[in-house]
Amino acid sequence: RKEVEQDPGPFNVPEGATVAFNCTYSNSASQSFFWYRQDCRKEPKLLMSVYSSGNEDGRFTAQLNRASQYISLLIRDSKLSDSATYLCVFHGGATNKLIFGTGTLLAVQP
Amino acid sequence: GAGVSQSPRYKVAKRGQDVALRCDPISGHVSLFWYQQALGQGPEFLTYFQNEAQLDKSGLPSDRFFAERPEGSVSTLKIQRTQQEDSAVYLCASSPGTANGYTFGSGTRLTVV
Repeated sequence: RKEVEQDPGPFNVPEGATVAFNCTYSNSASQSFFWYRQDCRKEPKLLMSVYSSGNEDGRFTAQLNRASQYISLLIRDSKLSDSATYLCVFHGGATNKLIFGTGTLLAVQP
Repeated sequence: GAGVSQSPRYKVAKRGQDVALRCDPISGHVSLFWYQQALGQGPEFLTYFQNEAQLDKSGLPSDRFFAERPEGSVSTLKIQRTQQEDSAVYLCASSPGTANGYTFGSGTRLTVV
């Protein structure tokens, strides 16, 4: 089983839609969780950290469910500029490395 | 520098050729990571340095891959006798040590023909 599982998409949504991505992880020792955004032919960039209590940054809301070992990202009022690949990432256990999912491709249509 | 710098930006190698990819991390960042990203996949961990010490090389796919960071700043990833399956984007990231402090470079796109 892969350490991180994500639906690769693509998710095609109209502008203004609400879209949600889920991601499951297998390493229960994971300590930190993140969502990264990667534009086509660009490097990944940190979108937001994910906390157990849930956290919000403008139109973006991230949540962590440790019992079920999944994290989620909700994007409200989608913009064309939100089109990108969203990578689920965790960090922790005995290593100092980030483990990435395969990414979910979001295409926001006008 | 202001960000993580990688060179070359693009590299085309003939199968069997050796290549060297360079990473200049953010000044003062003690942690440096190399990742390999194949088309349509997420980045896969290759190796990790803390200063000049290579603390984890568990992700290197074969003994043809070698990385070094001799003075604890610039790092080089070397691939010997390149094969077609080595074609990917090689990303370097540096961090001051915190999990949310990673900064990635723009990557080197390696194509083996």
